[in-house]
Amino acid sequence: DQQVKQNSPSLSVQEGRISILNCDYTNSMFDYFLWYKKYPAEGPTFLISISSIKDKNEDGRFTVFLNKSAKHLSLHIVPSQPGDSAVYFCAARGRGTGNQFYFGTGTSLTVIP
Amino acid sequence: GAGVSQSPSNKVTEKGKDVELRCDPISGHTALYWYRQSLGQGLEFLIYFQGNSAPDKSGLPSDRFSAERTGGSVSTLTIQRTQQEDSAVYLCASSLDRDQPQHFGDGTRLSIL
Repeated sequence: DQQVKQNSPSLSVQEGRISILNCDYTNSMFDYFLWYKKYPAEGPTFLISISSIKDKNEDGRFTVFLNKSAKHLSLHIVPSQPGDSAVYFCAARGRGTGNQFYFGTGTSLTVIP
Repeated sequence: GAGVSQSPSNKVTEKGKDVELRCDPISGHTALYWYRQSLGQGLEFLIYFQGNSAPDKSGLPSDRFSAERTGGSVSTLTIQRTQQEDSAVYLCASSLDRDQPQHFGDGTRLSIL
């Protein structure tokens, strides 16, 4: 049962443009969401998080938006750079959902120079 | 370095053998997680350690899997009588506490022949 879904396995964007990565979840108990970035042969690296009391969190070129009613979050990268090419995972957890973070299957982003 | 360290980075073994995977978390991190990632899948939670509390083993797929964390630091994940479906990348992560983002190691790629 996949409680966190990333329905786009891959995305290609031109350098300098906006990258938008999407994530949907099914468990309304989730209240803490994170995005991770993963290069090949490396472990995921934490990028940005958001709690359910907010609908937006920004850190430099990265902004995460949360739409609780739609159970949807997105990561915006502006402007996209070739070094952003990686696999992006969203993850979620909530009070009462256990200790684990639930991860999506990832979206592979390619930024074309 | 000061990151999460996992060893070995790669392990190839025959079906039926036991394997032991090691994780050195970041010093001072009380929370430690094991995940595995099979090809094309998201991260699957296996086990969670928090300080001296009893571990959350709810993600272990069978009784062939076990883990321990000695002295609140180093952790080992043991898989007995390995099967081909155990082939995956096994990732360890640590965090300051349960509510902080996780820092991942680079994983152990396990291949069962």
